Order: sequence, then structure tokens, then C-alpha cells
Amino acid sequence: QVQLQESGPGLVKPSQTLSLTCTVSGGSISTGIDYWNWIRQPAGEGLEWIGRVYNSESTRYNPSLKSRVTISVDTSKNQFSLKLSSVTAADTAVYYCARGEQRFGELLPNLWGRGTLVTVSS
Amino acid sequence: DIQMTQSPSSLSASVGDRVTITCRASQGISIYLAWFQQRPGKAPKSLIYATSTLQSGVPSRFSGSGSGTDFALTISSLQPEDFATYYCQQYNSFPPTFGGGTKVEIK
Repeated sequence: QVQLQESGPGLVKPSQTLSLTCTVSGGSISTGIDYWNWIRQPAGEGLEWIGRVYNSESTRYNPSLKSRVTISVDTSKNQFSLKLSSVTAADTAVYYCARGEQRFGELLPNLWGRGTLVTVSS
Repeated sequence: DIQMTQSPSSLSASVGDRVTITCRASQGISIYLAWFQQRPGKAPKSLIYATSTLQSGVPSRFSGSGSGTDFALTISSLQPEDFATYYCQQYNSFPPTFGGGTKVEIK
């Protein structure tokens, strides 16, 4: 079955760009019927939806982060990526990638990776 | 954004207990409410979508109810593997938003 795995640096300096990759296994990222999401969770806090990509190029971002976020797809590697620019300590969180299936609608990420901790610190 | 408020934030219960967690939306979301379970160090797992539809493979002791702004997740007979944190999520309106979580601990 489909599985997702996040990867990337665990430590990023303030003002730099956070870059994470989600590798999809057990299925193709190019089906054109799935939504590929990023969600984050600061320690001790709730979950925040960051954004998603659909059909390799249609993106939608949380307005609270929109000016700093880019989500893209690399179909040759069956991966999708997150870039968050100008990070501060407030961006320290566990970052999850997740798949949403078209049958559930575009705003329900129902299959998640295990998450990766990113700390913003000098 | 729609605010999702879960209660309680934590509870202690014993194996075999009936447990109910509530989730309130700041505005109506029809039936577009999902529940997730997260065990420590694990990925969140989807349990229920559309308020009351169980995902494939989810035990029938889990059930969901509600509509509009008030929703509930009930575990009819708590099992050892159910001790975890539970989150609700609305997917009626953009952006999707989550509740703060309810941690179910062993009494």
C-alpha cells in the first residue's frame, strides 16, 4: 500500500529556507487524482495545515503562510517537496506529509507520513 | 478560519470503559468532520470521515456522531491499543483546521 516518508535537514538557521521532501512508495504520485499535503505541529501545540499540490502543478496554501511557502512535485522521483522561506523559531515543528484522495474531497489528508522534526536555531 | 475546540484535552480511563470526546466548530461544517488517532512517535491515522463513516479496517468500537457545529467520537469499550491522542479536523471550509487534541491515558 501507499506509504509516505519525510526527509530533510533537522536544523535550519533563522532567516534561511526550510526544505523537506516526501517520498511516496507503493503508488504513483502522478495519478492526477490525489492531493499531496504538508502539515506541521509545533511541540505541545495543535496541527496546522500548510498547503497541498494537486495534479503536479495546482497548489493551494494556508493564507497564514502563503507568502513563504512553495510546494512542488518531482514525478521522476515520485516525490513532492516543501520550501518555507525566512524561517524563525516559530517554525520549529514536526512536519508531516500526507495524501488526500479525491473521493474524500480536497481538504482531507487521510494518509500521513511519520513526520520529521525541524528545529530553527542558530 | 474555522476554530475547532476539543474537550476534554485529556482523560484517564480504564480498559473496557466507554469514552466520548467532543469537538465543536466555530461555525457550521455540515458533516465534513474527520477523526484521527496518533500514538506516540507514529503518524496520525485516519479513523472516521464524514462525521460517522469508519475508514477501512477501523474497529467497530469506534463511532462518530453529530452535524453542524457539534460532534463526538465514542469508543464503546476501550482497548489497550486505544491509548493515544485523538484529533478532529474540519474539511468543509478552506483552510482545513484541526482541534487541539485529546490525550486518552490509562487510569
